[in-house]
Amino acid sequence: DQQVKQNSPSLSVQEGRISILNCDYTNSMFDYFLWYKKYPAEGPTFLISISSIKDKNEDGRFTVFLNKSAKHLSLHIVPSQPGDSAVYFCAALRGANSKLTFGKGITLSVRP
Amino acid sequence: DTAVSQTPKYLVTQMGNDKSIKCEQNLGHDTMYWYKQDSKKFLKIMFSYNNKELIINETVPNRFSPKSPDKAHLNLHINSLELGDSAVYFCASSPVLFTGTKQETQYFGPGTRLLVL
Repeated sequence: DQQVKQNSPSLSVQEGRISILNCDYTNSMFDYFLWYKKYPAEGPTFLISISSIKDKNEDGRFTVFLNKSAKHLSLHIVPSQPGDSAVYFCAALRGANSKLTFGKGITLSVRP
Repeated sequence: DTAVSQTPKYLVTQMGNDKSIKCEQNLGHDTMYWYKQDSKKFLKIMFSYNNKELIINETVPNRFSPKSPDKAHLNLHINSLELGDSAVYFCASSPVLFTGTKQETQYFGPGTRLLVL
């Protein structure tokens, strides 16, 4: 039962343009939504999170938007840079048990 | 100085063997976790420990046994290895039980790639 879904396996974007990574979820009990970035042979690193009571959170070039009615969130990266090329995992958390549920990730390639 | 380290990085072994993966964090965190990333690339929580106490124990075969000798270490012992145990295993730690904020975020180790033949 996939509670967090990243339906696109990959995305290719030109350097300087916007990257939009999408994520859908099914469980309305999630308290927080997070994005992690992962380079090959490394563990995931935290990028940005958003509380379920907010609809937008911004940190530098990264903005996460949450649409609770649609059970959808997206990560916007503006402007995209070649160093952003990595796998991005969407994750959701139920604070009551600190259990993170991950999507299967999307590979972002930023072309110079 | 690696914040969360795992040994070994690669582990190739035969079915039926018993193996351990070690994890150490030097961040002074109270909470540690084990995740499994299977062939379909899903990262799934297996266990979490807070101050050496087991908090999360997902539906994991009892061949998997975590051991936390102290707050800085959470080792994973696997008995009678099976082909389906082949995966990447990630250790992680967080200052306290993770509730979603940046300040409490989990730090992941580089992963241990286990291949069972």
